[in-house]
Amino acid sequence: AQSVTQLDSHVSVSEGTPVLLRCNYSSSYSPSLFWYVQHPNKGLQLLLKYTSAATLVKGINGFEAEFKKSETSFHLTKPSAHMSDAAEYFCVVSAVNNAGNMLTFGGGTRLMVKP
Amino acid sequence: DTEVTQTPKHLVMGMTNKKSLKCEQHMGHRAMYWYKQKAKKPPELMFVYSYEKLSINESVPSRFSPECPNSSLLNLHLHALQPEDSALYLCASSQDGDRGFSDYGYTFGSGTRLTVV
Repeated sequence: AQSVTQLDSHVSVSEGTPVLLRCNYSSSYSPSLFWYVQHPNKGLQLLLKYTSAATLVKGINGFEAEFKKSETSFHLTKPSAHMSDAAEYFCVVSAVNNAGNMLTFGGGTRLMVKP
Repeated sequence: DTEVTQTPKHLVMGMTNKKSLKCEQHMGHRAMYWYKQKAKKPPELMFVYSYEKLSINESVPSRFSPECPNSSLLNLHLHALQPEDSALYLCASSQDGDRGFSDYGYTFGSGTRLTVV
């Protein structure tokens, strides 16, 4: 079984300040982990993924995440927030069962960026 | 082509109507998925097709009927829906079908915003 907990349902930052979105996971297997972003009334866009290679993963738009197995965490960071970063962010864990590659979503974190 | 294309983008239908949602990808992905997303919630899995065969039905009511005519197309047929079925319906695809690799992400479409009146 696997699960994902996003520790903050809402995060508010000022433009130009750092962003931290927190994610903890549990998985019976060595998981693959993803962060997706969803802008209002849009689909989900893959930001970055961890697949058992480097523990620090760089994604698009200046985002990065660090996989920490000892803490079962996969927090998403960005040094400087931009207004266009305002969106919903989902941390996702992937594992394999008999049906194939299945995703488990966290509850989402809404990022608000103030001017 | 690295996209999943969903049509229509918006759909309003009455409770007695029959309509279909369409999803298309040309990335050679062999797994395709339907998700339902209510406002301010994560997507919920409805159906999984692996190599054009239905492999998962997450106890979805029969008023939703999926179809996978070929490896590039996925349809969701709708009939006698209820107002609570109003949601964003997302299609996704992934590279692996049942080969057991978990390190590929899903590619999501932009969704169909469905309103049942």
